[in-house]
Amino acid sequence: NAGVTQTPKFQVLKTGQSMTLQCAQDMNHNSMYWYRQDPGMGLRLIYYSASEGTTDKGEVPNGYNVSRLNKREFSLRLESAAPSQTSVYFCASSETGWITEAFFGQGTRLTVV
Amino acid sequence: AQKITQTQPGMFVQEKEAVTLDCTYDTSDPSYGLFWYKQPSSGEMIFLIYQGSYDQQNATEGRYSLNFQKARKSANLVISASQLGDSAMYFCAMRAAGGTSYGKLTFGQGTILTVHP
Repeated sequence: NAGVTQTPKFQVLKTGQSMTLQCAQDMNHNSMYWYRQDPGMGLRLIYYSASEGTTDKGEVPNGYNVSRLNKREFSLRLESAAPSQTSVYFCASSETGWITEAFFGQGTRLTVV
Repeated sequence: AQKITQTQPGMFVQEKEAVTLDCTYDTSDPSYGLFWYKQPSSGEMIFLIYQGSYDQQNATEGRYSLNFQKARKSANLVISASQLGDSAMYFCAMRAAGGTSYGKLTFGQGTILTVHP
């Protein structure tokens, strides 16, 4: 019973490097999300995909790109990492609609040096 | 635009007592859902309780209840009979049904709850 799986769990990048955070869910959910969590800032929405084939910006999209590869997978790419992107990243998924809770992955702790 | 506000950065409660964590929200959409999540020190996000905007009664799940006051746009979480294991960060979240915020799930800043023995 995997739920939402994020890879990797930890990553250290040098400034200017690129990387892709992977997220996959096996619950046949339509909606998927990427959040970042910084101390004292709560969870801030980076991008979301309400359904397969659509993506929308959240509160803090600058410096990130996303791809909804298929219904299961939603990846987050950092093209040129900056120290300000040091954070814990969470992927989540939910059924479409406003009444269903989101299920979260375990998070990726990213450090940019 | 939708917004969630949690004004209590930290709360303290004695074991076995009840505690209320505040949450206010703002949306122009008449259809929306409100959620509470718990994040223990291990980091995972645990869903606690849900309230729909059209629900007539306040939601309850075991020791958790949601005090929903629609006119005041508040959705406070009440934890009864606090336990040491309730010490965690608590997040309020909202998803609106339509408009430009369709599908968007927005979180508040969180409240750190500490339960004292």
